[in-house]
Amino acid sequence: EADIYQTPRYLVIGTGKKITLECSQTMGHDKMYWYQQDPGMELHLIHYSYGVNSTEKGDLSSESTVSRIRTEHFPLTLESARPSHTSQYLCASRDSAYEQYFGPGTRLTVT
Amino acid sequence: KNQVEQSPQSLIILEGKNCTLQCNYTVSPFSNLRWYKQDTGRGPVSLTIMTFSENTKSNGRYTATLDADTKQSSLHITASQLSDSASYICVVSDRGSTLGRLYFGRGTQLTVWP
Repeated sequence: EADIYQTPRYLVIGTGKKITLECSQTMGHDKMYWYQQDPGMELHLIHYSYGVNSTEKGDLSSESTVSRIRTEHFPLTLESARPSHTSQYLCASRDSAYEQYFGPGTRLTVT
Repeated sequence: KNQVEQSPQSLIILEGKNCTLQCNYTVSPFSNLRWYKQDTGRGPVSLTIMTFSENTKSNGRYTATLDADTKQSSLHITASQLSDSASYICVVSDRGSTLGRLYFGRGTQLTVWP
């Protein structure tokens, strides 16, 4: 069982609000990822990090930002939420054997 | 273009029956192929991971096969249980970058009826 956590699990918020989705892992993995997934669709990589102070944008353009101040923590922030941001956000980390471990996800609804 | 295609899109079977899910990919250069199980509202959980040299790998009632020549994989579920109802996602990794880039299929939605 992977030790990777996401909070909140569900969030309903109004347009224009600032939100931060939390992700933390206790496995000491350097590489961490954020994916966006719409119902019935594939996961899309939106951000990744190779380690502390390293962040990069993924394939899918996203208005969100991330930070990596500590190895175990990789939060995602939306400065001004919009209905188009409604989706499921999955955080993952990777071990040295290239196995990815996913968190339970945050389902975001912007009204 | 690197792609992963899965079929069928959805499948309904009766409890106790077997089923096989298919995955075709065009990812190159190939590193490994994984099958994940994703329950509704949860994150994906790894079932198997196969490298180029592996043809078959089992994990309990789940058996994955890989044909690297034809770029096809299958996931066979034996004696299905109600708890097998989930989306099964095929994920292929390339070895062309240090990121170990993953390419995701859209998944097969499996429903097991009693």
